[in-house]
Amino acid sequence: DAGVIQSPRHEVTEMGQEVTLRCKPISGHNSLFWYRQTMMRGLELLIYFNNNVPIDDSGMPEDRFSAKMPNASFSTLKIQPSEPRDSAVYFCASSLESGRGQETQYFGPGTRLLVL
Amino acid sequence: AQKVTQAQTEISVVEKEDVTLDCVYETRDTTYYLFWYKQPPSGELVFLIRRNSFDEQNEISGRYSWNFQKSTSSFNFTITASQVVDSAVYFCALSEANTGRRALTFGSGTRLQVQP
Repeated sequence: DAGVIQSPRHEVTEMGQEVTLRCKPISGHNSLFWYRQTMMRGLELLIYFNNNVPIDDSGMPEDRFSAKMPNASFSTLKIQPSEPRDSAVYFCASSLESGRGQETQYFGPGTRLLVL
Repeated sequence: AQKVTQAQTEISVVEKEDVTLDCVYETRDTTYYLFWYKQPPSGELVFLIRRNSFDEQNEISGRYSWNFQKSTSSFNFTITASQVVDSAVYFCALSEANTGRRALTFGSGTRLQVQP
């Protein structure tokens, strides 16, 4: 079975440009997470969706960041306008959340973003 | 609030040595989940193990073993007879069941270098 798919794998852009990161979760999973990894802050949650609905967006840095999940098989994370401090690795993860509680989150390969 | 501490920033061992990675967690939830992930130099996050708070049995999987002790809030990871391929950053993580916070709280990671 395919794992979590993210695109692009690498993105280099200039400050002020719009950046869109994409994620396809594992088929059948109903929870999707966006995390960001930086040297300074480590791995931190940006936003969490359950059944396509944003549940926890407390980690979204500011209005420049937005995330959508239009259907169960696709999510986007958009940064507009991008800034050099947004440079990081962005991970998407998915899991199956059931009445039994928290299941394992499986991560995509990540998108390495560099904003010049 | 939840917190995960990995006090060992970097460990260097010689191949075939045993090594233990420490993880100490804090949570007020009575039901929670603990995880270990491996991040090899290629950058992806690979799931290793998930442990529920109500299951204190230790687990062994090949050369890997995990020691969960609620009394000391620790979930340590031991690699027996380490190999060069074990070189990676290892993350311990926590999620809570009753607070509704499904996101993983990660430790800062321990970089393991296994020398040939």
